[in-house]
Amino acid sequence: AQKVTQAQTEISVVEKEDVTLDCVYETRDTTYYLFWYKQPPSGELVFLIRRNSFDEQNEISGRYSWNFQKSTSSFNFTITASQVVDSAVYFCALSESQGGSEKLVFGKGTKLTVNP
Amino acid sequence: DAGVIQSPRHEVTEMGQEVTLRCKPISGHDYLFWYRQTMMRGLELLIYFNNNVPIDDSGMPEDRFSAKMPNASFSTLKIQPSEPRDSAVYFCASSFRHLAASKGGRDTQYFGPGTRLTVL
Repeated sequence: AQKVTQAQTEISVVEKEDVTLDCVYETRDTTYYLFWYKQPPSGELVFLIRRNSFDEQNEISGRYSWNFQKSTSSFNFTITASQVVDSAVYFCALSESQGGSEKLVFGKGTKLTVNP
Repeated sequence: DAGVIQSPRHEVTEMGQEVTLRCKPISGHDYLFWYRQTMMRGLELLIYFNNNVPIDDSGMPEDRFSAKMPNASFSTLKIQPSEPRDSAVYFCASSFRHLAASKGGRDTQYFGPGTRLTVL
């Protein structure tokens, strides 16, 4: 069965610090998809990134970067020079390809607080 | 372009009452999902539709919950009768499967703003 573990329940940093949010997943599929979503205090879920299991290239988008390592089943998310507006709960999610299911399995989330 | 639209944004009702949550997916999307978020259980998939047909309702907690998708632009999640333990945030999401582009795999689910349900 697929599973996503976000071991860090809460993280608190001071503005301009770099912070990494960990995500470890379990799956038996060779083809799968990984996602990160952001949930700010306003409550909506905002899509950040989607990766498929065939693409292990790291990705950078502004201050955000993602490190995908199949060898350790991890898909970690780093925010460089954090800002107060980055304060949110961040969710990692996994979707498998086989079986035709569209299910997304979410981790429990990591609450990030960036203090001024 | 408009994102996923949900209504109402907040609903307060009394135990035993019927509650109907509504969702309008992104135009052109062929998958629609209903999720529930609680502190205890996190984000749970309740049911999803493909081309208006329910595909997997294994996450629906019990018979008090039902969902319909009468057309490509509208879905409802109904709870009858409601109970205090149904209090949660209910999200609707939609996606479009790009078969050619993604080797038959998953495309991104885009979420609505959610409906915060409180059952007293």
